[in-house]
Amino acid sequence: NAGVTQTPKFQVLKTGQSMTLQCAQDMNHEYMSWYRQDPGMGLRLIHYSVGAGITDQGEVPNGYNVSRSTTEDFPLRLLSAAPSQTSVYFCASSYRDKNTEAFFGQGTRLTVV
Amino acid sequence: GENVEQHPSTLSVQEGDSAVIKCTYSDSASNYFPWYKQELGKRPQLIIDIRSNVGEKKDQRIAVTLNKTAKHFSLHITETQPEDSAVYFCAARSERGYNKLIFGAGTRLAVHP
Repeated sequence: NAGVTQTPKFQVLKTGQSMTLQCAQDMNHEYMSWYRQDPGMGLRLIHYSVGAGITDQGEVPNGYNVSRSTTEDFPLRLLSAAPSQTSVYFCASSYRDKNTEAFFGQGTRLTVV
Repeated sequence: GENVEQHPSTLSVQEGDSAVIKCTYSDSASNYFPWYKQELGKRPQLIIDIRSNVGEKKDQRIAVTLNKTAKHFSLHITETQPEDSAVYFCAARSERGYNKLIFGAGTRLAVHP
């Protein structure tokens, strides 16, 4: 059972470039979310989804887009990368029941130069 | 919006001592409170959680207490060991909206032999 898989693990972008961080889960979880982790700031919610076709903004959504066309996949798009988006990005998934564990992917370390 | 505050940001203890990490939350509709442990370079993993209808929960050397009136919850680690050294995150999930999971800023725990 693969769980939550993120690709790539590492990425360097130039300012202004675009890219998509991939996230896939094989646990049939309805709820998926993206967080960014910066030193001293914990895990901040970027976007989340409660099912295919339904997404909403989290705490820090600016500069990021998401879509959810299938239950398994929840890609995060950076339209025009900025140095402030240098961070470690984590995808997480869980059942929609509010009292269940969220499982995290292994993370993507993104550097924008 | 929802907010979770976590203290202290760093904690240093001697092996065998106890460690306590405290969190407060702002949304009175929050009813699920997980704690995650993140070792260096790895993904966050759930270590214990508590639901709003329970005041305390214990799992071996780890315990969590919840005070809904004061809107705060705490993680207690007894008989600490060097392998407990990690970053610990508290989180809260609300019944409002789509049950977003909001994290605190994290506590870096160092256990010295």
